Amino acid sequence: SQQGEEDPQALSIQEGENATMNCSYKTSINNLQWYRQNSGRGLVHLILIRSNEREKHSGRLRVTLDTSKKSSSLLITASRAADTASYFCATNGGETSGSRLTFGEGTQLTVNP
Amino acid sequence: ETGVTQTPRHLVMGMTNKKSLKCEQHLGHNAMYWYKQSAKKPLELMFVYNFKEQTENNSVPSRFSPECPNSSHLFLHLHTLQPEDSALYLCASSPHVGNTEAFFGQGTRLTVV
Repeated sequence: SQQGEEDPQALSIQEGENATMNCSYKTSINNLQWYRQNSGRGLVHLILIRSNEREKHSGRLRVTLDTSKKSSSLLITASRAADTASYFCATNGGETSGSRLTFGEGTQLTVNP
Repeated sequence: ETGVTQTPRHLVMGMTNKKSLKCEQHLGHNAMYWYKQSAKKPLELMFVYNFKEQTENNSVPSRFSPECPNSSHLFLHLHTLQPEDSALYLCASSPHVGNTEAFFGQGTRLTVV
């Protein structure tokens, strides 16, 4: 079964606004990761949060993890047009997935100048 | 640049052709992966190699044949593919198979005609 599921599927905002994307998963995890993908390109790792962490920051990125609700959110503050991309969450570890990374379908973020 | 290089970037092949995708990483990682990304679907893990040994084959059809001659190089040999195999094929590496981030190549856009 699919592990990470992002919400919303698509998000369109104006430059300077904040963007929030959510990810839900089904089984226990060791960590959850967020990746970014520009159209037709490879994925770039953004941030990793471990199952015993609740919040993590990296520059304009803020990730939260709620293991009781099996959900995570990615907040991009003060968005820029260059942030336009697809964003994926990926879960690692747990009973069913072992050591593999299991990706969701992604959120397509469009930041309008 | 993520340190993972894939060639070619684009490939068009007929259903009777034989071609190979190449992936090379200069990060000193011990684990390498092949993923398939089709439109509107989550990334699908195809194969996992750890220290040159295949540790996972995610029920991939035999028309896809991986080869890992050493920890830095990974190939995906293709033969008698179907049009539905058209997708973006992504290679990734990580320090080891486990709870770490993955570094992705830019992908090979494959079109089967």
